[in-house]
Amino acid sequence: IAGITQAPTSQILAAGRRMTLRCTQDMRHNAMYWYRQDLGLGLRLIHYSNTAGTTGKGEVPDGYSVSRANTDDFPLTLASAVPSQTSVYFCASSGTSGTGELFFGEGSRLTVL
Amino acid sequence: GQNIDQPTEMTATEGAIVQINCTYQTSGFNGLFWYQQHAGEAPTFLSYNVLDGLEEKGRFSSFLSRSKGYSYLLLKELQMKDSASYLCAVMDSNYQLIWGAGTKLIIKP
Repeated sequence: IAGITQAPTSQILAAGRRMTLRCTQDMRHNAMYWYRQDLGLGLRLIHYSNTAGTTGKGEVPDGYSVSRANTDDFPLTLASAVPSQTSVYFCASSGTSGTGELFFGEGSRLTVL
Repeated sequence: GQNIDQPTEMTATEGAIVQINCTYQTSGFNGLFWYQQHAGEAPTFLSYNVLDGLEEKGRFSSFLSRSKGYSYLLLKELQMKDSASYLCAVMDSNYQLIWGAGTKLIIKP
């Protein structure tokens, strides 16, 4: 049972480069989320998707984009990375939107130099 | 603005009891959640409170007072494996989760 799989686990990236973080779930959950976690701050929502084909902006969406072509995949793209996007990124899912019981992937640690 | 406050760090002794507090100010309330996150790992769901009172789940209990905007997580019979960060989160009127910064719990032998 995989749950949620994120890739890559860790990445060092030059500023200005494009980067896509992958997220796949096998639980057939409708809702998916991307969070970033920074030291001393709570998890901050970047983008979310309540169901396949729909996406929405979270608290900190600038510089990021997402797509939800199907139920299982929810990639996060940084079009032109900047050092302030250095963070740990977590993908999460839930059976339905509006529930706070989330299942998280193991995280992707991104460093932008 | 919306705000979740919890202590940054706490220390407790193996076998003892510890209470981690969380206070919140949010636009609306649709439940309070506690998660556990071991260092370098993903958060995992621990508990959910939407009504006032105590919810018990094994060694862990969570309490909620909506009128006071207050919750606590109580951990009994502490074990070394309980060393982790504990995240408090509140679901607001838009059904978005607002997260606290987490409390790092250090367990000493």
